[in-house]
Amino acid sequence: AQKITQTQPGMFVQEKEAVTLDCTYDTSDPSYGLFWYKQPSSGEMIFLIYQGSYDQQNATEGRYSLNFQKARKSANLVISASQLGDSAMYFCAMREGPYFGNEKLTFGTGTRLTIIP
Amino acid sequence: ETGVTQTPRHLVMGMTNKKSLKCEQHLGHNAMYWYKQSAKKPLELMFVYSLEERVENNSVPSRFSPECPNSSHLFLHLHTLQPEDSALYLCASSQESAGLVTNEKLFFGSGTQLSVL
Repeated sequence: AQKITQTQPGMFVQEKEAVTLDCTYDTSDPSYGLFWYKQPSSGEMIFLIYQGSYDQQNATEGRYSLNFQKARKSANLVISASQLGDSAMYFCAMREGPYFGNEKLTFGTGTRLTIIP
Repeated sequence: ETGVTQTPRHLVMGMTNKKSLKCEQHLGHNAMYWYKQSAKKPLELMFVYSLEERVENNSVPSRFSPECPNSSHLFLHLHTLQPEDSALYLCASSQESAGLVTNEKLFFGSGTQLSVL
């Protein structure tokens, strides 16, 4: 079974609108971390936001916020006021357990977001 | 400018060639990684080095051989590759702590786009 599922292979959004990218995860470990990375056409993966499983509040980083619904095992990324520069691939990832390093980091297949002027 | 530099950016090689990918990180991190990114597939972790010792090898074929001479440099030596090895190869680094945490994020290079003919 896939540990990270991103069901939207591609999305088109009008500039300045908000966009939600879906991510569901599967783990039996009570301690885990969820990440979102952005990959523009240049290829470099860029860290956007992190949510820990024990965090009480949803993470926010500027225009990025994470809608964390633990019971549903979902960690959707919300981008407010989208910009043309937001066009990229977006990957959700999960790191299970505090006892391991990033060798236990699992990525989803990604969502290609295109912002329309 | 990214803190993780990969060279070359593009590489075309025949199946009988020997080539090497190079990665250098300028962030003072203690762990480095090789990932393979193929179209429509999640990122695949190939190798992890922590404190210059390999800690993970996810059953990667022996035609891929990593080398980590120090904490700042990582190489991936390629030998008699197959066409299905064509992909984007990403290097990443992170600062792994000894504590029980899940939030160490990865810093990626821009990747080497490899084509095997």
